[in-house]
Amino acid sequence: EPEVTQTPSHQVTQMGQEVILRCVPISNHLYFYWYRQILGQKVEFLVSFYNNEISEKSEIFDDQFSVERPDGSNFTLKIRSTKLEDSAMYFCASSVLGSNYGYTFGSGTRLTVV
Amino acid sequence: DQQVKQNSPSLSVQEGRISILNCDYTNSMFDYFLWYKKYPAEGPTFLISISSIKDKNEDGRFTVFLNKSAKHLSLHIVPSQPGDSAVYFCAASGEYGNKLVFGAGTILRVKS
Repeated sequence: EPEVTQTPSHQVTQMGQEVILRCVPISNHLYFYWYRQILGQKVEFLVSFYNNEISEKSEIFDDQFSVERPDGSNFTLKIRSTKLEDSAMYFCASSVLGSNYGYTFGSGTRLTVV
Repeated sequence: DQQVKQNSPSLSVQEGRISILNCDYTNSMFDYFLWYKKYPAEGPTFLISISSIKDKNEDGRFTVFLNKSAKHLSLHIVPSQPGDSAVYFCAASGEYGNKLVFGAGTILRVKS
């Protein structure tokens, strides 16, 4: 069964450093998403991406965050200057036709900012 | 932001019995509702969804019921199996292709 692949599975970074989280969505999917889950809290929407542009972003997704689909297969989330509160599980997801048909999520990247 | 609420943090059920997980929402603009299942160290897995124009959707052992007037939905699992033990998230969507708003999740434990 097709999968959404995320790398790395765990990333430790120092506060203030830039990190790039990588995702390979399912090949025929058109919608791409990033979500995060801080330990013990809800899964929160960060950003959706369609037709090579951001279609929606949350208040969390400030100027420190950016997304890119550099080569038609990868979908990346960059955090420019990490803060302690960015520590969370980050989930990439993709969908053929949008959220109503259910996303396929990746297994997540655990980001630890120290 | 409490637009989607799952008020039961956990539920314990005997194998073979019915599991009922509940979810309430406040935003009338939601028109699709979804249930996801999550195991530790994995991403959420889509289970079943329902459009706001329906009141029931069934897929094998899983049935979702929607009561729009009460802004309430529930997921029924019959019969429950030990492999169903996981965290179950209710989620809602307001527009095609739009974001999902998740509830806090309910931990289901199915005892054998």
